[in-house]
Amino acid sequence: GAVVSQHPSWVICKSGTSVKIECRSLDFQATTMFWYRQFPKQSLMLMATSNEGSKATYEQGVEKDKFLINHASLTLSTLTVTSAHPEDSSFYICSARKPDRDTEAFFGQGTRLTVV
Amino acid sequence: LAKTTQPISMDSYEGQEVNITCSHNNIATNDYITWYQQFPSQGPRFIIQGYKTKVTNEVASLFIPADRKSSTLSLPRVSLSDTAVYYCLVAPYGGSQGNLIFGKGTKLSVKP
Repeated sequence: GAVVSQHPSWVICKSGTSVKIECRSLDFQATTMFWYRQFPKQSLMLMATSNEGSKATYEQGVEKDKFLINHASLTLSTLTVTSAHPEDSSFYICSARKPDRDTEAFFGQGTRLTVV
Repeated sequence: LAKTTQPISMDSYEGQEVNITCSHNNIATNDYITWYQQFPSQGPRFIIQGYKTKVTNEVASLFIPADRKSSTLSLPRVSLSDTAVYYCLVAPYGGSQGNLIFGKGTKLSVKP
């Protein structure tokens, strides 16, 4: 079964509003989670690293004030897209790694964001 | 992190064996090779990982030559449900596994 769960699976919002996406590790604690964005027919692009109890680390070119990340607990990281615009429409995916299994990263099912 | 190069797309028919090769000429000594599968509108799913020689699990085999500059993912007897994008990634074991840099991947289309 899924070990990393995202919610919602899809969301439509109006331009200018904010949207929050949740990423949960279901049966393990994740001190670090990762957020990716994927545009149609393109590969995943790492946006930021979410660190429990501290500030997120953003990749170059990703606006930290626009994509707010909160990792308040060991099982939950949230990504808030603030003042969303149509160009923010994308597929957002989170991932985490089990502490005792270094062999693979577990990905959420993704969230399809459409800004109208 | 080492850059990888894969074919953009491949076509196959049901029941055939599919081999997808990935080049990673700049692989480092502590890098592992990992393959992920992604279906449309889903997150990637781990398939297999290896360091050298051959690794086999219930879904695939991974062949890595001695120089480790390439690797081949082998999918035996593919079915329509294997149609997906396959990503080859190279990264150090453990700590950086979550922070993965994805290349363009190989879009595999399986036909009846």
